[in-house]
Formats: sequence, C-alpha cells, structure tokens
Amino acid sequence: QSALTQPASVSGSPGQSITISCTGTSRDVGGYNYVSWYQQHPGKAPKLIIYDVSNRPSGVSNRFSGSKSGNTASLTISGLQAEDEADYYCSSYTGSSTVVFGGGTNLAVL
Amino acid sequence: QVTLKESGPALVKPTQTLTLTCTFSGFSLTTSGLRVSWIRQPPGKALEWLARIDWDDDKFYRTSLEDRLTISKDTSKNQVVLTMTNMDPVDTATYYCARTGVLGGAFDVWGQGTKVTVSS
Repeated sequence: QSALTQPASVSGSPGQSITISCTGTSRDVGGYNYVSWYQQHPGKAPKLIIYDVSNRPSGVSNRFSGSKSGNTASLTISGLQAEDEADYYCSSYTGSSTVVFGGGTNLAVL
Repeated sequence: QVTLKESGPALVKPTQTLTLTCTFSGFSLTTSGLRVSWIRQPPGKALEWLARIDWDDDKFYRTSLEDRLTISKDTSKNQVVLTMTNMDPVDTATYYCARTGVLGGAFDVWGQGTKVTVSS
C-alpha cells in the first residue's frame, strides 16, 4: 500500500487556475474510477470535494474539477481564491478492498 | 444530519492497547452499502487509512498494521470501535472516523478527529 504521489506544494495567484496531480499504479488509480479528493484546512478534518474521479458533492464549488488519465488523476481549481489555501489529498480504492491516500499537496494562494 | 464523533484517551503509554470509539448519527450501519473507516494523521504528515467495517460486518485492514488492529461495530449503539495493540510513539496522530458508501467510494462525512499521543 504505497502512498499515491502528489507534489508537495503548488502555488497560484488569485483568479488563476492550478492543477494538482496524483500518480498511482494500475492496482489503484489506473484500475478503478474511485479516486477522491479532499481539502483540509489547518486543524480541521478533511472535506470531500471530488468523488469517483470527477463528481462534485452537493455544495462544492464548480471551480473544483477532477479528471484521470491512466494511472494519474488530477484536481484543477479555477479562479483561485484566498480560501482555497489548504492541503489537498487524493485517495483511491485498491484491488484489495483497501484505500490509499496521497502524500498531500499544500496549496499557497499568493 | 449525518455526524460522526471520535472518543478515546488522549494519552497512552508505549505497549498499551488503544481503544477508540466512533459514535455516529443520521444513518444506520445496517443499511446496505454503508461503511465506516478509521483514518489517522500524524502531526504534519499525510492521511493514512487504517481499517473499514461494512454494513454486512465485512472487515478490512491496512496490510502493514493488520496484526495490531481490530474493528467492530455495535449497531444498537451506532458505534464503531477500533483497537490498536502495542502502541508506539510513531502511532501518535489524530484519528478520524469517516463514512463511505453514499458517494461512491469516497469518505463523504468525517468526524472532528481525536488526538492521541503515545508517550511514557
């Protein structure tokens, strides 16, 4: 159960778009459409923002979008806002009915 | 409204057994397809999935911790319990419980987390 690979940090200016990648293997990201993304502000519990690769839960801004190609999933945040500054984690179902998370990406809105 | 809340000791000594309880409301773990997982996060580090229990009492564990973890449920109390044996300082973390089964495989609702420190 090796962690999925995410960049440690990304940054962008207000109004810009950024993309965070999440790379796994054919046994997790590439093998199933069960990739999720979570936003975590300091001291808070994670919040689901994308599920099943590209679906947004009710109430989540349409500035958040997800996609997948092969063994790599991506989260795109458009129209960056100061409140988007947080840590972001991807996760994937695996073939052994377990879940693996990414190492997390810190987003700085400059 | 769906809520989950973790409870347990804030401090445990090395080699002791940790018992955490997740008390939830707004859903029943007898409902087909619903599941509750435990996830932890060491200070300043990434999330780490630990274990899951399903509505039909199926159980799954993180491979590297399988021999130390036990997950169980009490549907009459709406609780899920996680025990972890032989605690070590590296197990110091915030422990979360979260629900899955409503939005695909995603953890759609999380508890607030409970911080556990392992120290003598």
